[in-house]
Amino acid sequence: KNEVEQSPQNLTAQEGEFITINCSYSVGISALHWLQQHPGGGIVSLFMLSSGKKKHGRLIATINIQEKHSSLHITASHPRDSAVYICAAFAWGGADGLTFGKGTHLIIQP
Amino acid sequence: DSGVTQTPKHLITATGQRVTLRCSPRSGDLSVYWYQQSLDQGLQFLIQYYNGEERAKGNILERFSAQQFPDLHSELNLSSLELGDSALYFCASSVRDGYEQYFGPGTRLTVT
Repeated sequence: KNEVEQSPQNLTAQEGEFITINCSYSVGISALHWLQQHPGGGIVSLFMLSSGKKKHGRLIATINIQEKHSSLHITASHPRDSAVYICAAFAWGGADGLTFGKGTHLIIQP
Repeated sequence: DSGVTQTPKHLITATGQRVTLRCSPRSGDLSVYWYQQSLDQGLQFLIQYYNGEERAKGNILERFSAQQFPDLHSELNLSSLELGDSALYFCASSVRDGYEQYFGPGTRLTVT
């Protein structure tokens, strides 16, 4: 069974800071999702990646398959980035749904 | 807007009752996943359907069941409800297994 660990659990930073959230998983996966959940509860898919790096605006996600580790970076953070960020692993075969980390609660203060 | 719709948004019911949650996937998506998010357990995978057939089961209780209809919408049935079933229930859809999933807005179930 895949275990997905995220760190830190909570992160408070000042506007403009560079943010890094880490995710480790225990078994081989086919892909990793980074998700964002706002206080209202809705979940938005930020990235799905199986190798290398992806960038969208101020968000960057990287994955190292050999080390079973992924990171989500936010550059020039803004209060509107405040949310819970969740990584979720997709097992090989992709037919078992996602296994989720517990999430990182990010607060960006102005 | 992900293109995935869920109804109802909120549901309040009593213990012992039965409810049905509905999900319409994005146009063209064949896979539908159901997830439960509770305060103590976080997000958990319940069940997946692909093109009308059950594909995979996760931590779904025997009191819960689901199906996917020919028009690809899916329903999650929760019966003999207990207080601990209070949670956010999300569905997500993808084109097929292993592809990016798009989440619906969720149904917040409160069992009193």
